[in-house]
This record gives sequence, structure tokens and C-alpha cells, in this order.
Amino acid sequence: SQTIHQWPATLVQPVGSPLSLECTVEGTSNPNLYWYRQAAGRGLQLLFYSVGIGQISSEVPQNLSASRPQDRQFILSSKKLLLSDSGFYLCAWSEGQGNQPQHFGDGTRLSIL
Amino acid sequence: GENVEQHPSTLSVQEGDSAVIKCTYSDSASNYFPWYKQELGKRPQLIIDIRSNVGEKKDQRIAVTLNKTAKHFSLHITETQPEDSAVYFCAASRGYGGSQGNLIFGKGTKLSVKP
Repeated sequence: SQTIHQWPATLVQPVGSPLSLECTVEGTSNPNLYWYRQAAGRGLQLLFYSVGIGQISSEVPQNLSASRPQDRQFILSSKKLLLSDSGFYLCAWSEGQGNQPQHFGDGTRLSIL
Repeated sequence: GENVEQHPSTLSVQEGDSAVIKCTYSDSASNYFPWYKQELGKRPQLIIDIRSNVGEKKDQRIAVTLNKTAKHFSLHITETQPEDSAVYFCAASRGYGGSQGNLIFGKGTKLSVKP
């Protein structure tokens, strides 16, 4: 069966520091991969999605970037964090073709001080 | 692009009562409609989904109905239990792969089931 791993679970970072969040998927090939941000008590905002290695699409202009160095690995990064980057970051995957459900990782709660 | 509206934003029911959450979408080409449940501090989990070739789908106490003409779909939870308390998100997507396969989420409904 397919599984998705996301780490770390929580992270406290100072303003201006770099960020790297990692997500990996097991048990499937060529998945679509997604990064979402969820502010406290709010909905899901799609940040990036990827349909293949090295293919990244950005949904909103922001201080973050994403990379997909391997088929089942998706990384969210920032060179300098802002206070507004605080939130709950969720990685998700779906089958590569067709309208398929997305399956979420356990999320990373990021607090910027 | 697609826009998904979800109502109500909060819903409080007594244990054993039914709960209904409604979503409307704007893109008539949308053809896939999942529902997610998110407990506090946890990840959203898929609870049921429906495709545009059917009008209703049921799984135990949970059912989803779809009205393509009116472009709305609803989640029905019967015999609610305290463990049903969570935030529920609806979503819609329209196509195959790339951005057309992306889900557009509603803003969520916080359901509280009082014992």
C-alpha cells in the first residue's frame, strides 16, 4: 500500500533563517505531488504541485520554493523565512493520471519567531 | 477558474441528529468531488468522493449527493456521534493531470456534535 512521510512534525525557526521540509511517498510511481499551507483555523492553500521529476508549478507568489529531485521526493524550501510563513504545511500525493483523490501527510507545524 | 463555496462555516448538532454541509462550484467541467475530514492538529483524510457520472454515493452513515445542473454537492452525516466533530472540506476538480487535475477546496465547515 502507499504511504506518505513528512518531516519534521514541528519546527520553530527564527525570522531570516532557511527552511527545508521533506516529503516522500512509497508504494507508487510517478505520483502528482503537492504542497499546501494551512493558517490556523483556515482552509487549504495550494502552494506548489509537481507532475514529474524537476517539474514544479507555483500557484501563488511567495517566499518559498519547491523541488522534486527524485520521483517520490518533494522538498519545500526558503532561503529566508518571514513571520508570515508560519503555518501548518501539508504534503499530498495523488495518482499521476486522471481525477484521483489526494492523500495527505501528517503535516509540519512551522512557527517563526 | 474554479471557485468552491462551502456552507455553513460552523455547524453544531446534538448527538444522534443529522448534519448537512453544502458546497457549490462554478466550473461546469468539474467532474470529481471529494470530501475530507480534518481533526484538530491532524491531516485531512478522505472520507468519501463522488464523480459526475453518479448522483449519490453512500458509505454507512455518510452520503454525498451531486446536482450537476445546479452545480452543488452535499455531505450528509446521519446519527452523528461526538467523534464526528471535526472540520470538513469539500473540493472539486475538472480534468486530467496538470493544473486541471488540481483540487479546489472550500473553506471548511467546523462540525461540533454535542453529547
